[in-house]
Order: sequence, then structure tokens, then C-alpha cells
Amino acid sequence: DIQMTQSPTTLSASVGDSVTITCRASQYINNYVVWYQQKPGKAPNLLIYGASTLKSGVPSRFSGSGSGTDFTLTISSLQPEDFATYYCQQSHSTPRTFGQGTKVEIK
Amino acid sequence: QVQLMQSGAEVKRSGASVKVSCKPSGYTFTGYAIHWVRQAPGQGLEWMGWINPVNGNTKYSQKFQGRVTITRDISASTAYMEVESLTSEDTAVYYCARDWTGTFDFWGQGTLVTVSS
Repeated sequence: DIQMTQSPTTLSASVGDSVTITCRASQYINNYVVWYQQKPGKAPNLLIYGASTLKSGVPSRFSGSGSGTDFTLTISSLQPEDFATYYCQQSHSTPRTFGQGTKVEIK
Repeated sequence: QVQLMQSGAEVKRSGASVKVSCKPSGYTFTGYAIHWVRQAPGQGLEWMGWINPVNGNTKYSQKFQGRVTITRDISASTAYMEVESLTSEDTAVYYCARDWTGTFDFWGQGTLVTVSS
């Protein structure tokens, strides 16, 4: 199975800050990475697929990059609605696996 | 618009089984695979398995192989996920999600399954 190691576990930031979350795959997965946002009590919401392609309607302050084994999600200029938990997931092979999640909280 | 509607919350005793349904709308049921993902309280996301609605082919996480069964009813345009021999560790929110090129682009609202002893 492909392991997805996500860091940090928790990130404290202020509105307007730029933050970066990293995800490392245990083996080469090309660009088969997806990022989701999850708010308390809600299902995850797709943000980015193919490592860097924004889902339609997702604000441009979200961006993804990386290929191979190392990937990042960057949120530039954090907005109040961005405080949530973020997960990476590999879509390279089954079983699909997720990172442990990163909670972005208000400093 | 695409929606995946799941069945309601369940409370079960240890050792029992639970079956959760997922009824998509807004697209052709057989056009996309359905995956099941669970989330224990305060924990992360855990992939359980998936089904191809066209032919009923399934694949499961090794962790759940033999204890989880995913099925579908084409006439009802509904997918199902059954977990047997429940323990307290199965207490979680169970989600179904639509597969679009390996990405889970639409999710159900989640079904809370609580297992009590």
C-alpha cells in the first residue's frame, strides 16, 4: 500500500497569512494526488486534483504543486472560511490512501 | 445537480451488522464507481472499498476484506455497504463518494454508525 505522510498535524495561522501543507508518498505516484477540505460535521470537499488542478469554483488562493513523491498545498491569504482540516489522498492505485490530515486553526 | 443521499444514523450492538445505503442523483448511476470511506470520531479518513455499478465488481481494503460487503441495485440506482461483526472500533461516520478519474468529486452527507456494548 502507498503511505501518505502529511505535515504538519496542526497549523496555527492568522487571517491573511500564507500557509503550506506538505504530503509525501511512500513511492512514486507521478501527479496522482488529490486535496480535500473538511469542516466539522461535514463531508470532505474536493479542492485540487492531479496535484495542481483546481476544481471549478475553488478560490484561486488555493494552489497545489509537486510530482513524484512530494506534494504541497498552499493557501495564500487565509480567509476565515479556510480554517478547516485538509487531507491529501493518492489516486494512483488501490487501496486509495489518505494523509493523516492537517488542521488549520486560528492563531 | 449531483447529490449522494445516504441512509440515516444507526445504533447497533456489538456483534451485529449494519447496512448503509447511498442513492446518487443528478447523473447516470452506472456511469461512475462508488467508494466507501469512514471516519472514526476525531480521526482521519479511511478508505474501505469500491464498486463498479456496471458489473458489480468490488475491491476492498485488506483491513475490511471478509467483513465488509459492497453491493448495488441498478434498478434502485442505489449502492450499499454492509459491515458485519461490529465492535466499538467501528463507531464512525461512513461516507459514500463518487469516483471521477480516481478523485472523489462528490460525497454523501455521511451516516453515523454507533456501536454499543
